Amino acid sequence: EADIYQTPRYLVIGTGKKITLECSQTMGHDKMYWYQQDPGMELHLIHYSYGVNSTEKGDLSSESTVSRIRTEHFPLTLESARPSHTSQYLCASSESIGRLNTEAFFGQGTRLTVV
Amino acid sequence: KNQVEQSPQSLIILEGKNCTLQCNYTVSPFSNLRWYKQDTGRGPVSLTIMTFSENTKSNGRYTATLDADTKQSSLHITASQLSDSASYICVVSDRGSTLGRLYFGRGTQLTVWP
Repeated sequence: EADIYQTPRYLVIGTGKKITLECSQTMGHDKMYWYQQDPGMELHLIHYSYGVNSTEKGDLSSESTVSRIRTEHFPLTLESARPSHTSQYLCASSESIGRLNTEAFFGQGTRLTVV
Repeated sequence: KNQVEQSPQSLIILEGKNCTLQCNYTVSPFSNLRWYKQDTGRGPVSLTIMTFSENTKSNGRYTATLDADTKQSSLHITASQLSDSASYICVVSDRGSTLGRLYFGRGTQLTVWP
């Protein structure tokens, strides 16, 4: 069982609200990721981090922001939620670079619905 | 462009039967290939991971193969069970960047009927 946790599992909020999706891992991984996944579609990388104070935007443009103040914590924030943000958000972590068989572990996901 | 294509998009089989899922990729330079199982509404869980030097790897009833020359992989499930119903995602990692980027296929939705 992977030690990576996301909260909340489900969230329904109104348009314009500010929200933060939490992601924490206890494996000491320095790389962490946020993916967005619509039903039946592939995962799209929206943010990633190499380590503390290191964050980059992914392939899919996103209005969300992330921070990495501590190794184990990688929260994602939407300043003003819109219905187009409705999706499933998955957090993942993996070990350091330089290893060919690094494993990526995923959280259970947050299903976000903006009404 | 780095891509991962999976087939079929969906598959229905009867309990106890075997099936094979396919994955073709164009990711380069290649680092490793993983198969994940994703239950509805949950995060993906790793089944197998293979580097370019590995041709086959098993995990219980799951056997993955890799042909790095043709850039193809397959996931074979034997003696299917109802709990095998899920989406199976092929994920390829490159080694052209320090991140080791992950490229995801859209998945094959497998349904096992009793």
